[in-house]
Amino acid sequence: DAGVTQSPTHLIKTRGQQVTLRCSPKSGHDTVSWYQQALGQGPQFIFQYYEEEERQRGNFPDRFSGHQFPNYSSELNVNALLLGDSALYLCASSRTGTDKRIQYFGPGTRLLVL
Amino acid sequence: GQSLEQPSEVTAVEGAIVQINCTYQTSGFYGLSWYQQHDGGAPTFLSYNGLDGLEETGRFSSFLSRSDSYGYLLLQELQMKDSASYFCAVRVSGSARQLTFGSGTQLTVLP
Repeated sequence: DAGVTQSPTHLIKTRGQQVTLRCSPKSGHDTVSWYQQALGQGPQFIFQYYEEEERQRGNFPDRFSGHQFPNYSSELNVNALLLGDSALYLCASSRTGTDKRIQYFGPGTRLLVL
Repeated sequence: GQSLEQPSEVTAVEGAIVQINCTYQTSGFYGLSWYQQHDGGAPTFLSYNGLDGLEETGRFSSFLSRSDSYGYLLLQELQMKDSASYFCAVRVSGSARQLTFGSGTQLTVLP
């Protein structure tokens, strides 16, 4: 049973560029959440997707957008990259109607903006 | 909004017991979760408290007092592999699958 997978594992971009990160949820899961984790900090909620729609959003600017596909996989897009966007981006999945206590996290994509 | 406070660092020796505290301020509190994260790894779920009291899972236990807005994670019989960051996270009503994390506690286990 594959867990949550994310790609790429590492990425280097320059200011002003755009980036797309990808996530495949754990088998059987239909809800995907994205988190940003700066060095030495806890993950911060960006947004959550269910049924191909953004359901909840954290305190992040519109430069951060996402998408969920019919197979439940998801993308996170960040436009006009800033140095402060350098962080570990985590994807977490869960299944609607089941235990809401547990989120399953992927290993993350480490983004460096130069 | 929500805010959580936990110690930034804790050090203990193998075989010892360590307690990591977490205080929170939030409206619509629903439950408190604990996650472990090794360097470069994914956060993994450890424990959850929705009601007051103690939850035990093997060497790990977690406690919640809703009236005090306080919880803790207790790790017993510490092992070297327990060296990691530990995060408390709150769930709030209406956003059950959205977690708000604390800044994390770096636990170092010494031989």
